[in-house]
Amino acid sequence: DAGVTQSPTHLIKTRGQQVTLRCSPKSGHDTVSWYQQALGQGPQFIFQYYEEEERQRGNFPDRFSGHQFPNYSSELNVNALLLGDSALYLCASSQKDEQYFGPGTRLTVT
Amino acid sequence: AQTVTQSQPEMSVQEAETVTLSCTYDTSESNYYLFWYKQPPSRQMILVIRQEAYKQQNATENRFSVNFQKAAKSFSLKISDSQLGDTAMYFCAFIVPQGAQKLVFGQGTRLTINP
Repeated sequence: DAGVTQSPTHLIKTRGQQVTLRCSPKSGHDTVSWYQQALGQGPQFIFQYYEEEERQRGNFPDRFSGHQFPNYSSELNVNALLLGDSALYLCASSQKDEQYFGPGTRLTVT
Repeated sequence: AQTVTQSQPEMSVQEAETVTLSCTYDTSESNYYLFWYKQPPSRQMILVIRQEAYKQQNATENRFSVNFQKAAKSFSLKISDSQLGDTAMYFCAFIVPQGAQKLVFGQGTRLTINP
């Protein structure tokens, strides 16, 4: 079992650009959640996908959007990047109440 | 609003010592789960231990145990016989197991185990 995988590992973008991050859930998991972790902080919930629909959303602007595919993998898209979007983006998959995290994507916006 | 507070930004102990990390939370829910996650420099968030609020018995996983005080909304983590590999950020987190289950995290405690 490969566990939760994320790509890419690191990414550098310029302000105003758009970025797509990808996540493959652990085998058997149908729910994917995305979190943003700023340096030195705890992760903040962005949104959760289940059955290809956004089930709940945290306090993040519409520039943050996502998608879940029929195979349960997911993408996180961020438009019009700001310097403040620089963070570690964590994906977590679950089937019930225990979430398993991927290694994260480190996004740097310059 | 549900919040989680970790009041110890950093802690440092010698190898083999016992250390306790503190966590308090605030919620109006009666059914919830609490977790401690470990995040080493590799960034991978690893589940250390979980506690269901309806269980009175404190959870234990090998060298890791919790002191769950529901009335006080306190959930501390005790690490016994600490090892160098325990060096990491530790996050306390909370989840309500209905509907969309979002984890609410504390700010973290950076734990260093010294040789």
